[in-house]
Amino acid sequence: QSALTQPRSVSGSPGQSVTISCTGTSSDVGSYNSVSWYQQHPGKAPKLMIYDVKKRPSGVPDRFSGSKSGNTASLTISGLQAEDEADYYCCSYAGADNLFYVFGAGTKVTVL
Amino acid sequence: QVQLVESGGGVVQPGRSLRLTCGASGFTFSSYGMHWVRQAPDKGLEWVAVISNDGKNKFYIDSVKGRFTISKDNSKNTLYLEMNSLRTDDTAMYYCVKDLGGGSSSLDYWGQGILVTVSS
Repeated sequence: QSALTQPRSVSGSPGQSVTISCTGTSSDVGSYNSVSWYQQHPGKAPKLMIYDVKKRPSGVPDRFSGSKSGNTASLTISGLQAEDEADYYCCSYAGADNLFYVFGAGTKVTVL
Repeated sequence: QVQLVESGGGVVQPGRSLRLTCGASGFTFSSYGMHWVRQAPDKGLEWVAVISNDGKNKFYIDSVKGRFTISKDNSKNTLYLEMNSLRTDDTAMYYCVKDLGGGSSSLDYWGQGILVTVSS
């Protein structure tokens, strides 16, 4: 089972928007509305930012939004802020008969 | 608030065993599935194993099947990962992670992680 495909890096200036794509297959992203996104700052544990494709946990700013079309999910950060600079990982449920969960390789977001 | 605290990591030789422990607090442990997720040095996240809330159902990534065993003791609010026949490619930070539950397949709370180094 291959990892989900994410761009290695994206960047933007403060206040701009950036979008991170996450491409899977019909066995994972395409089959389930169970895509989640995690933010990880250096040396820290990951933090859940988006679940079930587009839901935000309590406390996550509404600048973060998620979507999905076919086998590709996306995370958009609007109004980019300095503290958004981090690694972002997508994750999809892949079924109990499969890998169960599969992660993307991660995207480094740089705030210029 | 939810707290997950891992322990039991360290340096171990290839072929040896290690048991990771995760103490949980701040939520009803017996009501949630739990996961182990690992991250090799300077690499991405890799899901390792999951156990259902009642401990009856367990799933593993192929690379650890037959070597790792996940278990939970609901009376002690504790999650375990027994790791046998360790290999150098098992070297990673291991995170104890709570399942969001409610039919959602997401990981909502993460421990701080514990480092496992497999080296001769």
